[in-house]
Amino acid sequence: DSGVTQTPKHLITATGQRVTLRCSPRSGDLSVYWYQQSLDQGLQFLIQYYNGEERAKGNILERFSAQQFPDLHSELNLSSLELGDSALYFCASSVALGVNDEQFFGPGTRLTVL
Amino acid sequence: GNSVTQMEGPVTLSEEAFLTINCTYTATGYPSLFWYVQYPGEGLQLLLKATKADDKGSNKGFEATYRKETTSFHLEKGSVQVSDSAVYFCALSAGGSYIPTFGRGTSLIVHP
Repeated sequence: DSGVTQTPKHLITATGQRVTLRCSPRSGDLSVYWYQQSLDQGLQFLIQYYNGEERAKGNILERFSAQQFPDLHSELNLSSLELGDSALYFCASSVALGVNDEQFFGPGTRLTVL
Repeated sequence: GNSVTQMEGPVTLSEEAFLTINCTYTATGYPSLFWYVQYPGEGLQLLLKATKADDKGSNKGFEATYRKETTSFHLEKGSVQVSDSAVYFCALSAGGSYIPTFGRGTSLIVHP
């Protein structure tokens, strides 16, 4: 158990809909990362927050957005969903922003768009 | 930019066989190198890391040596077990970025 929790575990929805994925980092970790894992694209970095502020952006679509709240939990919002958004979405956390900092991954949310 | 290339899988071995999963990288400056493992149905977890040239990371019988001259960080284990069946990801952080660049992952299947 990494200490990172993600809800829900599974999510099935229809094209055009909007969903929210939630992540609680390990106790004491200030940095939260979101990743998308799919068979064809592998593990893709989406976005990162540190202590409530956005710090880095990766391959995140404009239809996707995220935020980190004062209690440090984070939410990833996916809107106007398309079939191609079906994937595993992982949240990870780390203590700070060091290049050697280990990332602790949650168990993921499996999103299926029908 | 930074990139990581891993050997394609799946790698299929019998229990107690020797394992090598190749990983090479391209990076700005002097990267830190990582191996993460993803067991079925779980998130990734750090297996080992090395932060400078010639460092050897090791954990749970796995080893990898940071080879700057060949820009490689190959993962090895002398005797694999069925419980080692998982997907292994090589990753790096470099150029002042703490966002790791991951390889595509290599699936390992170990048969009894």
